[in-house]
Amino acid sequence: QVQLQESGPGLVKPSETLSLTCTVFGGSISTYYWSWIRQPPGKGLEWIGYIYYSGSTNYNPSLKSRVTMSIDASKNQFSLKLSSVTAADTAIYYCARDGGSSVYPYVDYWGQGTLVTVSS
Amino acid sequence: ETVLTQSPGTLSLSPGERATLSCRVSQSVSSSYLAWYQQKPGQAPRLLIYGASRRATGIPDRFSGSGSGTDFTLTISRLEPEDFAVYFCQQYGSSPRLTFGGGTKVEIK
Repeated sequence: QVQLQESGPGLVKPSETLSLTCTVFGGSISTYYWSWIRQPPGKGLEWIGYIYYSGSTNYNPSLKSRVTMSIDASKNQFSLKLSSVTAADTAIYYCARDGGSSVYPYVDYWGQGTLVTVSS
Repeated sequence: ETVLTQSPGTLSLSPGERATLSCRVSQSVSSSYLAWYQQKPGQAPRLLIYGASRRATGIPDRFSGSGSGTDFTLTISRLEPEDFAVYFCQQYGSSPRLTFGGGTKVEIK
């Protein structure tokens, strides 16, 4: 059974960089696409971007200028950096796996989510 | 950018009733690329339906999906107590690659 677990600071100051890591258990990271998705408290879901095990990335254009994703297959981990954060970036951040196939893609495994608050 | 509009925002129903949730997409999407998720308070979303109508592993058959083009529907034939939750539709597009609807909350009447 694949499990994902987010880790990182729960509080980030405005203008600083949010950094999160997702560790994948029970399966290899060396396949599939791996996404970051966020959800402001009480609101909807926003896809931030994904990374493939090769290192290729695809970011949401609305966040692209501030997002960097990386992957470390040796540790079965992938990471998110979001720069110049503001209060609007306060959200629950989920890491997730894009499972399925190229014909039927879907997000099949999610981490439990980690709340990141942007505040001084 | 493709926009997914879910309606109604809130659906108030009793256990045993039928729930019909709508997801309208601003431009035609392949049915293969439309999915539905359920989210309960304090939990991550859970995949229910992919390919517009295919149930994910372990999902009860009271959940069904239908639709094509720009109009998609999630139906829960008979609501069980554990079905009261928020439901999101999601599509795979070009840019951004993934987009979610705003959600429909199914609450106990």
